[in-house]
Order: sequence, then structure tokens, then C-alpha cells
Amino acid sequence: GEDVEQSLFLSVREGDSSVINCTYTDSSSTYLYWYKQEPGAGLQLLTYIFSNMDMKQDQRLTVLLNKKDKHLSLRIADTQTGDSAIYFCAERTSGTYKYIFGTGTRLKVLA
Amino acid sequence: GAVVSQHPSWVICKSGTSVKIECRSLDFQATTMFWYRQFPKQSLMLMATSNEGSKATYEQGVEKDKFLINHASLTLSTLTVTSAHPEDSSFYICSATELAGGPDTQYFGPGTRLTVL
Repeated sequence: GEDVEQSLFLSVREGDSSVINCTYTDSSSTYLYWYKQEPGAGLQLLTYIFSNMDMKQDQRLTVLLNKKDKHLSLRIADTQTGDSAIYFCAERTSGTYKYIFGTGTRLKVLA
Repeated sequence: GAVVSQHPSWVICKSGTSVKIECRSLDFQATTMFWYRQFPKQSLMLMATSNEGSKATYEQGVEKDKFLINHASLTLSTLTVTSAHPEDSSFYICSATELAGGPDTQYFGPGTRLTVL
């Protein structure tokens, strides 16, 4: 079946790096997304990666994909208090519109 | 960039009444719109997929007679929660795909918080 799992909580100190992890179900052709949700707000797309890629970097964000283990991670460099939010990974099979969201990881950045 | 709006942003209603939530794509045409609900501290669960001019496709376990979806134009979809009850209280989020953008260009609205007393 379809399932995307994440750890629930992560706490880091300001200036440190944060690594948020996600595991997803098997698909030969999949898009994998990272979204940020601040309290009471909708989802903000941070980045996405296609399953034939290993890594994608965008400013402070680095996405790593381990296809063998179906493991996705989001690294935030120099984490700031404004990065405190819930981070969702999501999977979408190419050719379909349906997103499968993970449970979300609540990131708390300590000053 | 593409913007999706929702109205209202929050609503409080009495049990038994109906509530309509609008989802609009502001600067693009959306062939398909999606409705999600999110309970506190939980993930988003897809409720239904709506295509302009046709009936919505509901996910398993979602009552189509309770959650009425209308997608009358390429820029507007509405979700009506009929005879709302306290257990319908949730955060409802819509998303939309751009007509020419392909399935990976899906944009999310800011959400509507519904509280049923």
C-alpha cells in the first residue's frame, strides 16, 4: 500500500543544521516533495526531487535520496528561528495527481 | 507565481448548518482541484479530486452527500459541508493544478479552519 512516514519531532539550536527524514513506498517513477507549514497556514512548497535523482540543493536546503532504502532527507543549513514549522514530505507517482503526505515533522529551533 | 486563495479563512457555525468554502486559482486556470482535511497535529488527508465540469471523485470513506464539491469553472471550486457536526471541525485545504503546467505544478491554498459548535 501507499505509506509515507516521518519522525514526529526535531529540536535544534539556532545556527545548527537540521535533518528531517522520510521513508516512502516503492514506485519506479515518483516525485518526492518537501512542504513547510507554519501555524494556521497552508502548505508552502520548499523543493521537490524526482526519484531518478540522488541529490538536490537549493540555497540552505539539501535533499538527499536513497532509492535503495526509499529514504528521503531534508537538510536545512544554518537553521533559524523562522524555520520552526511542520515539515511534510509527500510522494506522487508520475502520471497521477494524487499526493500521499507523511505525518509531518515538527521542527523547533531554540535560540 | 501561481496563487490559490480560500474563503473564508476561518468559520464558526452551529451544529446542523451548512458551510461553503471557496477555492480560487487567482492567476491561472486549474483543470483539477483537490480538497484535503487536516486534523490537529495530523497529516493532510485527500478527500476528493474535482475536475472542471464533471463530478468529483471521492476518496474511500468520504461521504459525498455530506461534502458536496462543485467545480463550475477553471478558477473556482467549492466545498460545502452539509449539516455540519462538531466532528467535522477541521482545517480544510484545497490545491489546484495548472492547466498547462503538468501534474507537478500543484499549488496549495492557505486553508480554512472550520469550527462547529
